[in-house]
Amino acid sequence: GIQVEQSPPDLILQEGANSTLRCNFSDSVNNLQWFHQNPWGQLINLFYIPSGTKQNGRLSATTVATERYSLLYISSSQTTDSGVYFCAVGRVLSSGTYKYIFGTGTRLKVLA
Amino acid sequence: NAGVTQTPKFRVLKTGQSMTLLCAQDMNHEYMYWYRQDPGMGLRLIHYSVGEGTTAKGEVPDGYNVSRLKKQNFLLGLESAAPSQTSVYFCASSFGTDGNTIYFGEGSWLTVV
Repeated sequence: GIQVEQSPPDLILQEGANSTLRCNFSDSVNNLQWFHQNPWGQLINLFYIPSGTKQNGRLSATTVATERYSLLYISSSQTTDSGVYFCAVGRVLSSGTYKYIFGTGTRLKVLA
Repeated sequence: NAGVTQTPKFRVLKTGQSMTLLCAQDMNHEYMYWYRQDPGMGLRLIHYSVGEGTTAKGEVPDGYNVSRLKKQNFLLGLESAAPSQTSVYFCASSFGTDGNTIYFGEGSWLTVV
C-alpha cells in the first residue's frame, strides 16, 4: 500500500524561528491534508492541499504532486505551535473505495 | 457547532468485556471513519463507511466491528476487549473523497486492563 513518511520526526525551535516540515508519499494521491494535534490531543485541520500552494497567517503549505511531496512552513513560531503535525493522504483504490493514510508525524516543541 | 462528537471520552474496561463507541456527526457527511492512535504513532484506520448501511475494513480491523444504521452515526464495537486495544480512538467524517476536508472528533481514551 501507499507509504507516507514525514521528516524530521522531532523538532525543537526557539520562539520566533522558522521551520519546514516535509511529507513524502510513495504513490499518486487524490487528496492531501495537514493536521496539527495539540497537546490536548485535538486534531485540527490546517490545509487541504492536493497540489499548489496555500497560506494561512504564519503557516503555508506547498504540494508538488508530480514529485510526491508536500511541505509545511511555519514562520515566526510560537509556543502554541507545539504539538504533532500530521500529513494525511487520500486515495481512491481500484475497487472504488477510498482510504486516508496518515504519516507518523513531526513532533514540534517551541521554547519560550 | 457540534461537528463530530464521540462518546464516551474515557473508559476503562476489563479484558474480555465488550463496549461500543458512538460517533455522531451533524454535517450530513457521507463518509465516516474510525482510527486508533497509539503512543508516538500516527493514526491507523480501523474501519470506514462510505454511506448509510455500508462498512469496509481499514488497516487494522481485527477485534473490532462497526455499524452505520443511520447516516449521522457510526458505531465501533469491541466484542471482547484485549490489552492491545488500549488506545485513543478518533472518529472522523467527510463529504466524500476529492476536494473534501476530513473532520475529527476529540477522541476517546480507552484502557483495557
